[in-house]
Amino acid sequence: VQLVQSGAEVKKPGASVKVSCKASGYTFTTYYMHWVRQAPGQGLEWMGMINPGGGSTNYAQKLQGRVTMTRDTSTSTVYMELSSLRSEDTAVYYCARQSRLAVAFDPWGQGTLVTVSS
Amino acid sequence: DIQMTQSPSSLSASIGDRVTITCRASQTISSYLNWYQQKPGKAPKLLMYAASSLQSGVPSRFSGSGSGTDFTLTINSLQPEDFATYYCQQNYSTPWTFGQGTKVEIK
Repeated sequence: VQLVQSGAEVKKPGASVKVSCKASGYTFTTYYMHWVRQAPGQGLEWMGMINPGGGSTNYAQKLQGRVTMTRDTSTSTVYMELSSLRSEDTAVYYCARQSRLAVAFDPWGQGTLVTVSS
Repeated sequence: DIQMTQSPSSLSASIGDRVTITCRASQTISSYLNWYQQKPGKAPKLLMYAASSLQSGVPSRFSGSGSGTDFTLTINSLQPEDFATYYCQQNYSTPWTFGQGTKVEIK
C-alpha cells in the first residue's frame, strides 16, 4: 500500500491550492481517505475525509466552505482543494488511508508542503 | 469537539528506560483511542489502535491501556529509534482530534 502526494506549492493569500494523493497496492474504493495537516512546529489537525467509493465527504467544521475533497477512481487519486488561502494555512498536508480495523490512519502519504506568502 | 490533552509535553529519557505518556479526553471516548509516532520530517506512523491493540509490525515494547477518558502509552526498554514525538487521537466522534504531542528526547 502506497500513497504518493504531489509536490510542494507556494501560493499567495486569497489563492487556492489543489493537492493530489495517488493510491496503489489496494482496492481504492474500499477505504476512506483522510486529510490531516500540520503547521510548522505544531500538532496534527484533521481536515476531513472522503469515501472514494461513492464520493461522499465529511469536512471539519472549521474548514467548511473552503475545503473540497474529490476523487478520480480511474486513476485511484484523491484531491484536496483549499481556497481563500491565508498565512495560517501554511502547513504540510498529508493524505492518510483509514485503517481496516478502526478509524485510524494508516498508511500516510509523504506530505505536501503548502506555503502561503505574499 | 473532543479535546485531547497529553502529558508531559516533552520528556528526556535514556536508552533502556521505561517511558509512559498520558492522554486525557475532555469526555468519555470508550476505547476509541489511537497512538502515532512521528519522526522529524516524516509522516506519522500508527502504533496502537483501540487503546490497546498493537498495529502490525510495531515492536512489542509498545503497549497501550485505558478507557473512558484516561489513556497511557508505555514504551518498555526505550531504543534509539524510539526518540520521536507521539500523538494520541480519538476516533469516537468527528472531528477526529489529536493531542498536542509528547516529544521524547535523549537524556
